[in-house]
Amino acid sequence: EAGVAQSPRYKIIEKRQSVAFWCNPISGHATLYWYQQILGQGPKLLIQFQNNGVVDDSQLPKDRFSAERLKGVDSTLKIQPAKLEDSAVYLCASSSGALSSYEQYFGPGTRLTVT
Amino acid sequence: QQQVKQSPQSLIVQKGGISIINCAYENTAFDYFPWYQQFPGKGPALLIAIRPDVSEKKEGRFTISFNKSAKQFSLHIMDSQPGDSATYFCAASMETSGSRLTFGEGTQLTVNP
Repeated sequence: EAGVAQSPRYKIIEKRQSVAFWCNPISGHATLYWYQQILGQGPKLLIQFQNNGVVDDSQLPKDRFSAERLKGVDSTLKIQPAKLEDSAVYLCASSSGALSSYEQYFGPGTRLTVT
Repeated sequence: QQQVKQSPQSLIVQKGGISIINCAYENTAFDYFPWYQQFPGKGPALLIAIRPDVSEKKEGRFTISFNKSAKQFSLHIMDSQPGDSATYFCAASMETSGSRLTFGEGTQLTVNP
């Protein structure tokens, strides 16, 4: 079974530029999460999708971050415009979404450096 | 109330020794407590998890001890190996929050040969 795929793996941009990350979850997984992991810290949830609907985006900085999950499969996370403090690893995770199924599987992440 | 506090920040253990990492939480609504292992350049990988209805769970060399009254749980790695050198994160989740994970700050484990 293929794992969670993410691209690109690395991205360097200048502040005020825009950037987009892509995630393909494990086949059949209904729930998709985007986490931000700043160096030396634990991942922090940005947004959670159930199929193509948003379940929780309370910690997403909506003035600059946006995410979508068209057709309930792949997802993209966009930052526009980027700030220096957005430098982090952006992790995508998925789970089956079944009741009482909490297991989340993470992709390798996209390391973003904003200069 | 959503925080999960993890200690120590870093840990150095000799090969064959026992590694112990501790976590504490505040929100009694949490009902799932996983531990994740992360190697450099990789995403976190689920190692072992426990529900609050049991006090201990063991899988191979990895054991979770759970103390519901103290709101604490810990990871024990028996016979630690150099290949166990990684960053370990505890986390907590609850069904009413859509199962999102709240992570601790991480523990950098180094196992010396």
